[in-house]
Amino acid sequence: RKEVEQDPGPFNVPEGATVAFNCTYSNSASQSFFWYRQDCRKEPKLLMSVYSSGNEDGRFTAQLNRASQYISLLIRDSKLSDSATYLCVVLSGGYNKLIFGAGTRLAVHP
Amino acid sequence: SQTIHQWPATLVQPVGSPLSLECTVEGTSNPNLYWYRQAAGRGLQLLFYSVGIGQISSEVPQNLSASRPQDRQFILSSKKLLLSDSGFYLCAWFRKSGNTIYFGEGSWLTVV
Repeated sequence: RKEVEQDPGPFNVPEGATVAFNCTYSNSASQSFFWYRQDCRKEPKLLMSVYSSGNEDGRFTAQLNRASQYISLLIRDSKLSDSATYLCVVLSGGYNKLIFGAGTRLAVHP
Repeated sequence: SQTIHQWPATLVQPVGSPLSLECTVEGTSNPNLYWYRQAAGRGLQLLFYSVGIGQISSEVPQNLSASRPQDRQFILSSKKLLLSDSGFYLCAWFRKSGNTIYFGEGSWLTVV
């Protein structure tokens, strides 16, 4: 089993749609969680950290479920500019090991 | 200021040739450093990480190696490249205070 797993997609949605991504992790001792966005094979950019209480940043909402060992990202009112690959990142191994999921590709169309 | 750099940005190497990618960070001490590879259409695969000088953890057995000769320097090497080594290589630094990941600019490697 991979340490971090994501649905690879692609998710093809119209503008204005709501889309949700999930990511599961295998190490119950994992400490920190992030969502990153990657465009056209550039370096990934931080979208948001994920906290146990859940957190929201504009149209984006991230949640963590430690009992089920998954994190989620919800994007509301999708924009064309949201088209990218979304990567979940898990920090484990005593705050030393950063594992990326394979990424979920999102394509927003007019 | 805190920065991370890697080079070269692009290289084309023949099969069987050696490889050296270098990553340096500035503005910090004892950083956690990482090397990732991204093959075409794939996610970021963790290759190596290091928590200090001379300390290397290998995640994927292959013909690559890593070294940390100085606190803020992380080097990815190969003695003989394979076609399958082609890809996008990223160096990263995790700053524990602030829970922040910084990425280098990336290195595109094409093995021909």
